[in-house]
Amino acid sequence: NAGVTQTPKFRILKIGQSMTLQCTQDMNHNYMYWYRQDPGMGLKLIYYSVGAGITDKGEVPNGYNVSRSTTEDFPLRLELAAPSQTSVYFCASNLETGDTGELFFGEGSRLTVL
Amino acid sequence: GQNIDQPTEMTATEGAIVQINCTYQTSGFNGLFWYQQHAGEAPTFLSYNVLDGLEEKGRFSSFLSRSKGYSYLLLKELQMKDSASYLCAVTDSNYQLIWGAGTKLIIKP
Repeated sequence: NAGVTQTPKFRILKIGQSMTLQCTQDMNHNYMYWYRQDPGMGLKLIYYSVGAGITDKGEVPNGYNVSRSTTEDFPLRLELAAPSQTSVYFCASNLETGDTGELFFGEGSRLTVL
Repeated sequence: GQNIDQPTEMTATEGAIVQINCTYQTSGFNGLFWYQQHAGEAPTFLSYNVLDGLEEKGRFSSFLSRSKGYSYLLLKELQMKDSASYLCAVTDSNYQLIWGAGTKLIIKP
């Protein structure tokens, strides 16, 4: 199994540009998440989804949008990129939030906004 | 507010034992996780505690005291490959994961 796949792994954007980070999982997980990780900081939740057609804001949603048209895919859209969005982005999924709720992460996407 | 505290960095010697502490203050509690994250890589699951006590898994053990809001991760027989960051995360009453900033563990020969 591929698990959680994110693309691209690296990207440099100019201020004001837009882009989409792709995330797909092949484990039939209901829950999917987008986190950002800044140096010396904990993971911050941007958006999450509990199933196809359902999304909700996390702790730091401003400047981002998501969609969940299928169980497998959960793309993250950055509109009007800003230097504050320079970070490492992780997509993750799990079957359910209760019980062990082990998260499976993608390899990460390192984004730089100049 | 919700808060998770871990030491920023620890150093230990190959073959030794190290204990990484985590204290938390969250709105409710539905479990505590430890993840390992090597530099430049994604976090990977190590352990989950929801009841008080010690969970042992090979060289790694995790302890939880809910009354004290405290957990530790114990790593035995340290190997160079254990050099990584160790992330503590707590599931709150809404089943949202709150993450600590992580403890960078440096293993010296």
